[in-house]
Amino acid sequence: EVQLVESGGGLVQPGGSLRLSCAASGFTFSSYEMNWVRQAPGKGLEWVSYISSSGSTIYYADSVKGRFTISRDNAKNSLYLQMNSLRAEDTAVYYCARVLEGSSGCFGYWGQGTLVTVSS
Amino acid sequence: QSALTQPASVSGSPGQSITISCTGTSSDVGSYNLVSWYQQHPGKAPKLMIYEVSKRPSGVSNRFSGSKSGNTASLTISGLQAEDEADYYCCSYAGSSTFEGWVFGGGTKLTVL
Repeated sequence: EVQLVESGGGLVQPGGSLRLSCAASGFTFSSYEMNWVRQAPGKGLEWVSYISSSGSTIYYADSVKGRFTISRDNAKNSLYLQMNSLRAEDTAVYYCARVLEGSSGCFGYWGQGTLVTVSS
Repeated sequence: QSALTQPASVSGSPGQSITISCTGTSSDVGSYNLVSWYQQHPGKAPKLMIYEVSKRPSGVSNRFSGSKSGNTASLTISGLQAEDEADYYCCSYAGSSTFEGWVFGGGTKLTVL
């Protein structure tokens, strides 16, 4: 069974940093592209970042470019999101999501999410 | 990159069919057959319902179907059931000279009357 478990969320002051982790199990992590998607309280979904299976290709949403860094450790079956210069508008539940096998460009499996709150 | 446009809400009675539209541009929906749809119940993670415009993942009811024409994609739910009441989001891959990634719609709240 595919499992994705996010951690690392919490309360941080504006301008601060936080590192999110996503522990993957139940599949060969190194074979799959991964993404981070977020959802502000009461709002819709927003794609944040993508990383290819090898880590060689990375994309970011304009709203986080230059502040967030996605990475992965295939030996540890883990995905990360380093978030710097955090703003109030970054407050959201952050989900890691895996592509569906045999498909392109969709989010077939999701974690339960971790809440990041940016506030003084 | 702008969000895709969805109606804020739709409603239907049990047994009826409803369609949710998702309008993008020639840089996303219009150029790629990489439109997907997600169902989200309150407090839960989203669930993939349709991918690559019209394909259903294993385990998703065949009451859910997807299509696309030009820059607009659609999700149709037939034989509405109470458990279909949820928020629905469309998503498309988007690529241009200045952007590569995914864009979501603003979401549509489905109410089963």
